Amino acid sequence: SAVISQKPSRDICQRGTSLTIQCQVDSQVTMMFWYRQQPGQSLTLIATANQGSEATYESGFVIDKFPISRPNLTFSTLTVSNMSPEDSSIYLCSVQLGNTIYFGEGSWLTVV
Amino acid sequence: QKEVEQNSGPLSVPEGAIASLNCTYSDRGSQSFFWYRQYSGKSPELIMFIYSNGDKEDGRFTAQLNKASQYVSLLIRDSQPSDSATYLCAVNVAAGNKLTFGGGTRVLVKP
Repeated sequence: SAVISQKPSRDICQRGTSLTIQCQVDSQVTMMFWYRQQPGQSLTLIATANQGSEATYESGFVIDKFPISRPNLTFSTLTVSNMSPEDSSIYLCSVQLGNTIYFGEGSWLTVV
Repeated sequence: QKEVEQNSGPLSVPEGAIASLNCTYSDRGSQSFFWYRQYSGKSPELIMFIYSNGDKEDGRFTAQLNKASQYVSLLIRDSQPSDSATYLCAVNVAAGNKLTFGGGTRVLVKP
């Protein structure tokens, strides 16, 4: 498995502001993903972070709201822009290793 | 119809008994199937994955896959109170290893 570190682990944000979440992996990985888990819900894929090119977004998620960077094979960031209370969620970074997908510890965001 | 469906529970199981969790999926092209456990306030942790029809055992856990019937199940033998958690079924429904998750089944193991 991989060690996947996310920062921040938890934050309380004011509405209208933006927050960038960092994901660092202890080994080079080709595939990195960002998921969201809203309160009481399951996980929903936001986008696939592609190294060296633009992220691939899922239906319902757009780059202006969730810009993603992937500067190298061990690091990615997700920004949640112009936050509203509906963005209060857990944001999870995940990576593929071999045939398996692992998750980071998550970033718990509360928007007030 | 949701792509991946699970009974939300809670599934209440006496300590020492077998917990049986089911998951159905809609895409016949699905290739790989994962079970994750998520404790309250924590991120999902991988329990096991399965690709081929049949059973796969890992310790107290057994995953069962039936592609013809489009379901995958998870058995937890000798259930312990520490197994109390939400169990998420995830399916790789498309190329690129993206996972689609079911809603999760909450399991409660009572001493």
